[in-house]
Amino acid sequence: GDSVTQMEGPVTLSEEAFLTINCTYTATGYPSLFWYVQYPGEGLQLLLKATKADDKGSNKGFEATYRKETTSFHLEKGSVQVSDSAVYFCALSHQGAQKLVFGQGTRLTINP
Amino acid sequence: DVKVTQSSRYLVKRTGEKVFLECVQDMDHENMFWYRQDPGLGLRLIYFSYDVKMKEKGDIPEGYSVSREKKERFSLILESASTNQTSMYLCASSLAGGGYGELFFGEGSRLTVL
Repeated sequence: GDSVTQMEGPVTLSEEAFLTINCTYTATGYPSLFWYVQYPGEGLQLLLKATKADDKGSNKGFEATYRKETTSFHLEKGSVQVSDSAVYFCALSHQGAQKLVFGQGTRLTINP
Repeated sequence: DVKVTQSSRYLVKRTGEKVFLECVQDMDHENMFWYRQDPGLGLRLIYFSYDVKMKEKGDIPEGYSVSREKKERFSLILESASTNQTSMYLCASSLAGGGYGELFFGEGSRLTVL
């Protein structure tokens, strides 16, 4: 079945550092890919998405590119802020499907 | 603003008790979901519903049941709580057909079973 694997956390960085959180997937066909973020004490919210190969999703300075050849969707940000401290989830779905498959989550802490 | 509201943020129950977790959404969404979130395991789907009175099992339905009598409300029921059901429970909703995968989540209900 479909699955999503994220890099192990926790990840701790200093403010203004470059961020990469790796995400790879296993799925049949051409799934849509997502990054969700969970800030402390809150539910998850959609950060960005890409629906076909080579698409780049972006939001709030974060970017991720849908790489079908490597089945990856790595999350990047050029300069992180303390307010980016959260848990990040990579996920996939098949278009029109009713549900998402999530990775295990990566906790990110940014120190001032 | 769109909103998914879970009735209880924190619950403490005893083994064998019946537990109800309630979720209400105000977006007129057709789909509703219950996930549990555990460290290192991410989110795992328990049940989902794509219409009133309709339900489908997710990946880990054992020990749970659900009820959807009205479009806006989706309840998760633990018939006889056990300690391995201690977890964070997240409710979510989305438009029919899954759209482009945007789920709207509640803040979660942290359940401790003693």
